[in-house]
Amino acid sequence: EVQLVESGGGLVKPGGSLRLSCAASGFTFSVYSMSWVRQAPGKGLEWVSSITPSSTYIYYADSVRGRFTISRDNAEKSLYLHMNSLRAEDTAVYFCARDTRDYQLEGAFEFWGQGALVTVSS
Amino acid sequence: QSALTQPASVSGSPGQSITISCTGTSSDVGGYNYVSWFQQHPGKAPKLMIYDVTTRPSGVSDRFSGSKSGNTASLTISGLQAEDEGDYYCGSYSSTTTLVVFGGGTKLTVL
Repeated sequence: EVQLVESGGGLVKPGGSLRLSCAASGFTFSVYSMSWVRQAPGKGLEWVSSITPSSTYIYYADSVRGRFTISRDNAEKSLYLHMNSLRAEDTAVYFCARDTRDYQLEGAFEFWGQGALVTVSS
Repeated sequence: QSALTQPASVSGSPGQSITISCTGTSSDVGGYNYVSWFQQHPGKAPKLMIYDVTTRPSGVSDRFSGSKSGNTASLTISGLQAEDEGDYYCGSYSSTTTLVVFGGGTKLTVL
């Protein structure tokens, strides 16, 4: 059974930093692109960042580029999102997600974690 | 403002069919057959219902179907059931700097 479990969310002050983790199990992590998608309270889905299986290609939304860094550890079957210079508008539930096919990166997110709430407030 | 345009709400009675539209541009919906649809219930993670415009993942009811014409994709749900109520989002691969774009979401109410 595919499982994605996020951790690391919490309350942080504006300008602060946080690192989210996503532990994967039930599939060959090293052959799948992985992504982060967020959802602000009461709002829609927003793609944040994606990383290909060997970390060769990395992509960011304009809203987070230069502040967030996505990374992965295939040996540990883990995905990370390092978030710096956090703003109030970054407040959201952050989901890690996996595309439906290996080596694909098209946004067909078949598997999702339960989400980690990040609240940016003073 | 979301990259893809969806109606804010749709409604239908049990047994009826409804269609949700998703309009983008030639850089996303119109340019690639990489349109996905997600269902989301309150407090839950989204669930993939359709990908590659028309493909249903294993376990998704065949009451759900997808199509595309030009820059507009559509999700049709036939034989509406109470459990179909929720929020629906379209998503698409994009050739712009935003790799994946989503619609603003459509709230489906089963009357």
